[in-house]
Amino acid sequence: GAVVSQHPSWVICKSGTSVKIECRSLDFQATTMFWYRQFPKQSLMLMATSNEGSKATYEQGVEKDKFLINHASLTLSTLTVTSAHPEDSSFYICSASHRAYGYTFGSGTRLTVV
Amino acid sequence: AQSVTQPDIHITVSEGASLELRCNYSYGATPYLFWYVQSPGQGLQLLLKYFSGDTLVQGIKGFEAEFKRSQSSFNLRKPSVHWSDAAEYFCATKMTTDSWGKLQFGAGTQVVVTP
Repeated sequence: GAVVSQHPSWVICKSGTSVKIECRSLDFQATTMFWYRQFPKQSLMLMATSNEGSKATYEQGVEKDKFLINHASLTLSTLTVTSAHPEDSSFYICSASHRAYGYTFGSGTRLTVV
Repeated sequence: AQSVTQPDIHITVSEGASLELRCNYSYGATPYLFWYVQSPGQGLQLLLKYFSGDTLVQGIKGFEAEFKRSQSSFNLRKPSVHWSDAAEYFCATKMTTDSWGKLQFGAGTQVVVTP
């Protein structure tokens, strides 16, 4: 149990366009979902925390209007990178938490903006 | 402020040798402690976790970790590494009062395994 599916695993987009990344908990209802960003050779940086039906809580320095998070159900959270630019290129990872399973991570999405 | 420190950015170890990765945390209370492994381009896989009880925790893939309150440490060990253990390892903590809230990650330790 406790599988988190993240799609797409990689995406290339043109500068100025928007990209949506999905994170689904397949066999459990996630209490909370988290979105992280990871630069090469670096640790995970928490971007935001989202609870189903509520507005996401963003970490300091993360632009809410650029990184839109929607958590419409207990099994699905999406991260939309709006008007993407090359500096948004990164590895994005989602995580879901459940009191019984703890934290489960998605396999990540490599975003490249050209 | 809470923090997690992994002093070693990079460790090279020979296949078959023992491995120890260090992790120190700074909190007033005892946090929940985790070790994760990440292969290139992949998400994180949980190796083991400590919440309370026995301070020596057994995990998957032959890993174990020991919680030492006096040293605020939670070091990860493996008696004999395999080439497949080459990866990035992250220590993480969560305040126990924050039920399944956000994790604080260390900077990570890259493990290279030589033949």
